[in-house]
Amino acid sequence: SAVISQKPSRDICQRGTSLTIQCQVDSQVTMMFWYRQQPGQSLTLIATANQGSEATYESGFVIDKFPISRPNLTFSTLTVSNMSPEDSSIYLCSVEAGQVSDTQYFGPGTRLTVL
Amino acid sequence: GENVEQHPSTLSVQEGDSAVIKCTYSDSASNYFPWYKQELGKRPQLIIDIRSNVGEKKDQRIAVTLNKTAKHFSLHITETQPEDSAVYFCAASISSGGYQKVTFGTGTKLQVIP
Repeated sequence: SAVISQKPSRDICQRGTSLTIQCQVDSQVTMMFWYRQQPGQSLTLIATANQGSEATYESGFVIDKFPISRPNLTFSTLTVSNMSPEDSSIYLCSVEAGQVSDTQYFGPGTRLTVL
Repeated sequence: GENVEQHPSTLSVQEGDSAVIKCTYSDSASNYFPWYKQELGKRPQLIIDIRSNVGEKKDQRIAVTLNKTAKHFSLHITETQPEDSAVYFCAASISSGGYQKVTFGTGTKLQVIP
């Protein structure tokens, strides 16, 4: 599996501001994924990030609200823009790794609270 | 798109008993089914997985079964221990443009009572 780190681990933000979350992997990976986990809920895929191309967003998520960067094969950022209390969630990045590279492994998550 | 249903949402068992969590999926093209355990405040951790060409897989006290015809898969934990207490997520994964697109179930909160 891959070693994945995220920054920040948690933050409390004011309504209307933006927060950028960083995800770093210890090995080169083709695809990186961003998920949202609302309190007590399951994981919902926000977007898939491939190095060198625009991220692919899932239904209900748009680039203006969740811009993603993927500058190289070990790093990605997710920005939560113009935040509202409804954006309070845990945001997790993941990567595919493993013997056949089809298993997703998760970072520790970023716990975001919007006041 | 894929839809994964998971039952039960909560499960309480006595230590030493078995626990079973069941999931169904909708897309017959799904070919990979991982199970994740998430302890409170922690990241989801892969505990076992099964591919569509296999009917059953076991790893010590944990086993997973897959019925492709019925689109059912289940997690079985035997001889449960208090440290098994966590939220468990099933998932169904389908090949999509060079990667696996994963859809998660709604989760089962397992409580093992000492």
